[in-house]
Amino acid sequence: QVVLTQSPSASASLGASVKLTCSLSSGHTNYAIAWHQLQPEKGPRFLMKVNSDGSHSKGDGIPDRFSGTSSGAERYLTISSLQSDDEGHYYCQTWGPGTVFFGGGTKLTVL
Amino acid sequence: EVQLVQSGAEVKKAGESLKISCKASGYSFMYNWIGWVRQMPGKGLEWMGFIYPGDSDLRYSPSFQGQVTISADKSITTAYLQWSSLKASDTAMYYCVRSPFGGHPTNIDYWGQGTLLTVSS
Repeated sequence: QVVLTQSPSASASLGASVKLTCSLSSGHTNYAIAWHQLQPEKGPRFLMKVNSDGSHSKGDGIPDRFSGTSSGAERYLTISSLQSDDEGHYYCQTWGPGTVFFGGGTKLTVL
Repeated sequence: EVQLVQSGAEVKKAGESLKISCKASGYSFMYNWIGWVRQMPGKGLEWMGFIYPGDSDLRYSPSFQGQVTISADKSITTAYLQWSSLKASDTAMYYCVRSPFGGHPTNIDYWGQGTLLTVSS
């Protein structure tokens, strides 16, 4: 059983950067994860897959302002030049043979 | 362009049956996993299950095994999520999702727009 831990909330100012964290449980620290964005009135979208070595591959049309990194059990999503349109919930997701896990999500507020 | 287009919102009564759909296009339906994710009001995301249309391999979350049925019709590249007897606790948004080819589902890389289900008791 993989547990993904995310802070419930985060906030940053318009134009600033924010770094969201997804922590993998012990014994699963080499897992890749995916980041997803959910916004009210908009469909969810896949942002990127982040591997344990820090490499990442983005989804269709995801701007360069979004980037992914990795350190140990932590997987990060950094959003730079924050826009009001970036407000929403961000979920990390991972997988094992035949099963899928989600983190609890982080609600991002752009001040 | 990959698209997952879901059927519209539903309002049902407890005890009724329901089948919602997800029409896939823009990719090889047979050789990618397609599945469902639930989001209850004010809550996070829960994986329900995936199907691999190529050989109908099914993977259910233990939380949903026996509660719902996932299926796919390769001839019309459509996946389904079905309930035989709805409960008020099934009220949620349901998302159709795709996971790329592999021996098992991995990262979700496309989402449908969601189907809102409201079940009254």
